[in-house]
Amino acid sequence: DAGITQSPRHKVTETGTPVTLRCHQTENHRYMYWYRQDPGHGLRLIHYSYGVKDTDKGEVSDGYSVSRSKTEDFLLTLESATSSQTSVYFCATQAGTGSAGELFFGEGSRLTVL
Amino acid sequence: SQQGEEDPQALSIQEGENATMNCSYKTSINNLQWYRQNSGRGLVHLILIRSNEREKHSGRLRVTLDTSKKSSSLLITASRAADTASYFCATDYGGATNKLIFGTGTLLAVQP
Repeated sequence: DAGITQSPRHKVTETGTPVTLRCHQTENHRYMYWYRQDPGHGLRLIHYSYGVKDTDKGEVSDGYSVSRSKTEDFLLTLESATSSQTSVYFCATQAGTGSAGELFFGEGSRLTVL
Repeated sequence: SQQGEEDPQALSIQEGENATMNCSYKTSINNLQWYRQNSGRGLVHLILIRSNEREKHSGRLRVTLDTSKKSSSLLITASRAADTASYFCATDYGGATNKLIFGTGTLLAVQP
């Protein structure tokens, strides 16, 4: 299995507070992604990265920012958490050889915003 | 939104029966992938089918792709209780970013 670690795995926070979720990979994969999963919506892409310092927005990027200063780490930040950001967040990586290949997922981070 | 749709949303069958799930998408693709998610876990890749392929097999899995109808189906033969999970299709619409767009998923329950 690809070594993808998400932290924290569970977090409860209050509206208006900043939150950072971390994704760490040991596979040296070029591409990294953050998805959120909500009932009835499946997985929706928040932001993605195609290399160190190269990031772009996905479908539901409002209220989120990301950073990738090293190949192995991809951070997702909620500057001021809102209740609508209560969700399960998944990080995924892809080796990135040619067209889109297999994604490897972390175990998810469950965020509750009160 | 480019998000695909899966059908049915939920499916309940008996062990030993076959399970078929369908995925529809909106524009032309490079490839389509299927993933499985056990409750409370991350997604796991099952199979990838390229736009120039019509059918692909992997063990008890059979995937078909009809690009003219913009649809794919996943067949699980001789299902087992351990196949109980959610199944998602994901489409690669091309471009340099290799991003995948996921469907809404089918929840499969296999009764022992």
